[in-house]
Amino acid sequence: QKEVEQNSGPLSVPEGAIASLNCTYSDRVSQSFFWYRQYSGKSPELIMSIYSNGDKEDGRFTAQLNKASQYVSLLIRDSQPSDSATYLCAVRGYSTLTFGKGTMLLVSP
Amino acid sequence: DGGITQSPKYLFRKEGQNVTLSCEQNLNHDAMYWYRQDPGQGLRLIYYSQIVNDFQKGDIAEGYSVSREKKESFPLTVTSAQKNPTAFYLCASSISGGADTEAFFGQGTRLTVV
Repeated sequence: QKEVEQNSGPLSVPEGAIASLNCTYSDRVSQSFFWYRQYSGKSPELIMSIYSNGDKEDGRFTAQLNKASQYVSLLIRDSQPSDSATYLCAVRGYSTLTFGKGTMLLVSP
Repeated sequence: DGGITQSPKYLFRKEGQNVTLSCEQNLNHDAMYWYRQDPGQGLRLIYYSQIVNDFQKGDIAEGYSVSREKKESFPLTVTSAQKNPTAFYLCASSISGGADTEAFFGQGTRLTVV
């Protein structure tokens, strides 16, 4: 069974710091990887996608993928209180997305 | 505006009733998905459809049914056979079911059994 593992947190960081969120997955044939942000009571919002090994940067967000280690991470630079949310890692195989349970991030002013 | 619309936002169901959750998209996406989210849990796949008139069971399909008669619409029926239906239901779509396609979500329907 495909599994996506995340530390549930909460991960607490001060405003302006770098937040590092991690995710591991079990299915070696996984093709693509996504990070979603979910505010309390709201639906998930796609913030990053990554398909090949290495880093991908978009503004304050950097996604990192290491397929050999089956590991994907999300770095948030200059964290803001508005970044406080649950971050869901999602992994796609051939047709469907499998989600982790999410890591709660708390950014304190 | 292009997007995915779920309705209603809140739904209350009595024991033994079937209820249908609506999901409509105007993004011209081929693939659509239904997920369920319980408090403190990740999203679990109920059903998905990659093309009109075809759909497949996900990990927790028991007690649910779907149809895909139109590309834009993928309604989910929660039947009385679903023993614990109280949850947050999320519909998503992607341009195709391919490995490198991004999925986008509607605003969700919160179902409560009363």
